[in-house]
Amino acid sequence: DVVMTQTPVSLSVSLGGQVSISCRSSQSLVHNNGNTYLSWYLQKPGQSPQLLIYKVSNRFSGISDRFSGSGSGTDFTLKISRVEPDDLGVYYCGQGTQYPLTFGSGTKLEIK
Amino acid sequence: QVQLKESGPGLVQPSQTLSLTCTVSGFSLTSYNVHWVRQPPGKGLEWMGVIWSGGNTDYNSALKPRLSISRDTSKSQVFLTMNSLQTEDTGIYYCNRNLGNYWGQGVMVTVSS
Repeated sequence: DVVMTQTPVSLSVSLGGQVSISCRSSQSLVHNNGNTYLSWYLQKPGQSPQLLIYKVSNRFSGISDRFSGSGSGTDFTLKISRVEPDDLGVYYCGQGTQYPLTFGSGTKLEIK
Repeated sequence: QVQLKESGPGLVQPSQTLSLTCTVSGFSLTSYNVHWVRQPPGKGLEWMGVIWSGGNTDYNSALKPRLSISRDTSKSQVFLTMNSLQTEDTGIYYCNRNLGNYWGQGVMVTVSS
């Protein structure tokens, strides 16, 4: 199985600040079809996860451009700029290239 | 409007079988895949399996011996059945469409005697 390693485990940031979350996979996430199926989700307290980014860098409909994804192969990053109160929660990366699908263990974002 | 809603018993006894239903609306099960993901209390997400739009299934290998996913397209329902439940199966169970942005609210399942 592909192991997804997320760092850090938690982050504390001031409103308006910027943060980066790293996600590394144990194997390349480049699919045979050339796509890289790496997604980012945010789970707000008491809610179901919501999709932020798919295929590394594509923002889902309605997602603020304050969220950006980058990376390739096995190394990926989610950046959040101008952090707002509504951004708090747990961020997960997830891979859809190889089955079984796997998620990172999550990064908890707290607002200072 | 796309919606998914999980339903099932909140409490299951150890060694018994869990049966959950995901009722969808706003889309056809023959056009979209439905995944099941679970989350133990205070922990991360675990992918359980998927039923593809064509009706085939794939499972997490760790759960495969105990897990079955099926559907009734006429009722727009997807079913999850998992046997030999243990306390570590306690958690919130979600169904979702294509692992995208449409998730159910989740159903809490507690395995306890």
